[in-house]
Amino acid sequence: NAGVTQTPKFRILKIGQSMTLQCTQDMNHNYMYWYRQDPGMGLKLIYYSVGAGITDKGEVPNGYNVSRSTTEDFPLRLELAAPSQTSVYFCASRIGASDEQYFGPGTRLTVT
Amino acid sequence: AQSVSQHNHHVILSEAASLELGCNYSYGGTVNLFWYVQYPGQHLQLLLKYFSGDPLVKGIKGFEAEFIKSKFSFNLRKPSVQWSDTAEYFCAVKRSSNTGKLIFGQGTTLQVKP
Repeated sequence: NAGVTQTPKFRILKIGQSMTLQCTQDMNHNYMYWYRQDPGMGLKLIYYSVGAGITDKGEVPNGYNVSRSTTEDFPLRLELAAPSQTSVYFCASRIGASDEQYFGPGTRLTVT
Repeated sequence: AQSVSQHNHHVILSEAASLELGCNYSYGGTVNLFWYVQYPGQHLQLLLKYFSGDPLVKGIKGFEAEFIKSKFSFNLRKPSVQWSDTAEYFCAVKRSSNTGKLIFGQGTTLQVKP
């Protein structure tokens, strides 16, 4: 079991560029989540999904989009990168019967 | 809005010292409570969780936490810290009725000096 994997590990974007952060889990978990972690701010929920084809906004969804076409994958899309999106992004998943979320290793994104 | 507050942002201890990290939350209904740890360069891992029952919860690596409902608190404790406990610690709360969305505190960085 690889658990939750994220790619890339690091990325530098110029303002206005777009990119997709990939997240894959091999645990057959229904629920998946995207968080961003800013220094001294804890983790904030961006988007989440309760199953394939179903997504919903979290606390800070502006500037992001998601899709969930399969159980395994939950990519996060940044369309027009802005400096405010400089952060560390974590993907997480959980199975419906348990409330423990399993986290990926994170993607460190810098927008300049 | 629901919020989680961790009182200590940065804690420095010597090995063998006792640890207590504070966590308070603002939601008045039934909650599930979590402590996560992030070791340097690693992803978040669950230390312990409280859903119901005994308010004193034991987790991995000798950590424990006590849920005090009247104080809306879920403080993390360890009697004797080790250098390997150096990490960032996050308290998180989930309302029992929602879809598993966690609200995190801002985190506490613990530095243990050998």
